[in-house]
Amino acid sequence: NAGVTQTPEFQVLKTGQSMTLQCAQDMNHEYMSWYRQDPGMGLRLIHYSVGAGITDQGEVPNGYNVSRSTTEDFPLRLLSAAPSQTSVYFCASSHGDGSGAQHFGDGTRLSIL
Amino acid sequence: AQKITQTQPGMFVQEKEAVTLDCTYDTSDPSYGLFWYKQPSSGEMIFLIYQGSYDQQNATEGRYSLNFQKARKSANLVISASQLGDSAMYFCAMRGKDTGTASKLTFGTGTRLQVTL
Repeated sequence: NAGVTQTPEFQVLKTGQSMTLQCAQDMNHEYMSWYRQDPGMGLRLIHYSVGAGITDQGEVPNGYNVSRSTTEDFPLRLLSAAPSQTSVYFCASSHGDGSGAQHFGDGTRLSIL
Repeated sequence: AQKITQTQPGMFVQEKEAVTLDCTYDTSDPSYGLFWYKQPSSGEMIFLIYQGSYDQQNATEGRYSLNFQKARKSANLVISASQLGDSAMYFCAMRGKDTGTASKLTFGTGTRLQVTL
């Protein structure tokens, strides 16, 4: 019962570097989302997807790209890392009927130096 | 736009006592869902309880219950018989039921609960 799996768990980058945060789910969920959590704040939506091939921007999309080529995977790409992107990143998935919980991965703790 | 407000940055409760964590919301969606998540110090987000806007009864899950007052736009979490393991950050969240909003959770800023002996 893997649920939502995020890799890596921790990462340190230098300013300007690029990287991809991986997210995979094995629950056949239609919806997947990426959030960031900054100290003392709730989670804010970066990008989301309602199905394979369909993505859209959330509240804080700048500096990030996503794609959804399969139902299972929803990677988040940082194009050119900036210190302001230091955060904890959570991936979540849920069924497409609007009911029930979003299931979260354990998070990726990202530091940009 | 959806908005969640949690006005209690921190709360203390004695072990075995009940505690209520406040949550108010605002939305223009006619149909929506309300959620509570627990985030312990280890960082993971744990789903606790869900309330649909058209559900006739307040949701309950074990020691957790949701006091849903639709007219007042409030969805308070009640934890009965608090345990030391309940010490954590608690987030209230909501999403709509339409395709455009069902995939997006809007979170409050959270309430840190500390359970004492």
